[in-house]
Order: sequence, then C-alpha cells, then structure tokens
Amino acid sequence: DVVMTQTPPSLSVAIGQSVSISCKSSQSLVASDKNTYLNWLLQSPGRSPKRLIYQVSKLDSGVPDRFSGSGSEKDFTLKISRVEAEDLGVYYCLQGTHLPYTFGAGTKLELK
Amino acid sequence: EVQLVESGGGLVQPGRSLKLSCAASGFTFSNYYMAWVRQAPKKGLEWVATISTSGSRTYYPDSVKGRFTISRDNAKSSLYLQMNSLKSEDTATYYCARLRYGFDYWGQGVMVTVSS
Repeated sequence: DVVMTQTPPSLSVAIGQSVSISCKSSQSLVASDKNTYLNWLLQSPGRSPKRLIYQVSKLDSGVPDRFSGSGSEKDFTLKISRVEAEDLGVYYCLQGTHLPYTFGAGTKLELK
Repeated sequence: EVQLVESGGGLVQPGRSLKLSCAASGFTFSNYYMAWVRQAPKKGLEWVATISTSGSRTYYPDSVKGRFTISRDNAKSSLYLQMNSLKSEDTATYYCARLRYGFDYWGQGVMVTVSS
C-alpha cells in the first residue's frame, strides 16, 4: 500500500499568516494516464471532509485562491496564504492513483 | 446542488450485520463511480469500498474484503454498503463520497458502533 506521510501533525497560526503542509508518498503518484491523483481535503470541526484541490494543483469550485497546491511524483505541498478563521480544522492529503486509496494522517491547523 | 445523504447506522453487536444506504441527488448518479470512506472516533480517514458506474466492478481494501459489499441502484440514485461479520474496529462514521479525480463530494456521515 502507498504510505502518505503528512507533516507537520499540527500547526498553530495567527490570522493572516501563511502556512505550508507537506505530503510525501512512498511511491510515485503518476498514473498510467500521466495524471497525478493527489487531493487535499479540509475537515472543519464537526463537519464532513471537503475537497479543496485535486490533481495536485487544481482548485475545486468555490475554493479561495488563498489555497494552492504544488509538487510532483512523491512530494507535494499545500500552501495557505493569509489564513482566515474559516480555514481552521484538519487537512488531509489523499492519493487516488493506486489501490487501495490512502490518506495522510492529517495536519491540525489551530489558532495561535 | 450535489447532495449525499447516508442512513442506516446504529449500534450493532460484534459478528452481526448492518446495511448502510446513501441517497444521491443533484447530479446524474449513474455517470459516477461512488465510494464509502470511514473515520474511527478521533482518527483519520480510511477508504472502504468503490463501485463502478454500472456496478460491475467493485474494489475493497484488505481490512474489509470478504465482509463488506458495496452495491448501487442507479434507478433509485442510491448507494449501499452491506457490512457482515462486524468487528469492534469497524466502529466509525461512514461517509458516502462521489469519485471524480478523487473524492469530490461527501455526505454528512452516519455513525456505526459495534459493541456488545
């Protein structure tokens, strides 16, 4: 199974600060169709997960452009510029290239 | 608006069975692969099952293979998860999710507790 190593496990931030979350996979996530199926999701407190980014860097509809994704092969990053209160919660990366699909352990973003 | 509404959760004894349902609306259900994902209390996310558009292909991780069965009824825009031989480690919130380059829409989740 592909292991998704997500760091840091938690982040304490001030509103307006920028942060980055790393996700590293144990295998390349480039699929046979040349696409890379790496998602970033946010689970706000008491809510179900919501996808923010797919295929490494494509923003889902309605997601603010404060969010950006980058990376390739086995090394990926989610960046949040100018954190707002609504951004707080747990962020997960997900690989959808190889079965079984696997998630990172999560990064909890909290207010400083 | 895409909506996924799960139902059928509850308290069940170890070794017993339970069937979850997910009612989909706001999109053409038959055009999408669908999946179940679970989250144990205070834990991370675990993919549980995926089904193709027609239902002819299904996929499971080893942790549930042989015990869980995913199915769908495209005429009813509904997704199901039959869970047999339940174990305490199956205790979790179960989410129905639509597949499009990953899991693009999620339901609100339904709690399953396996305990005697």
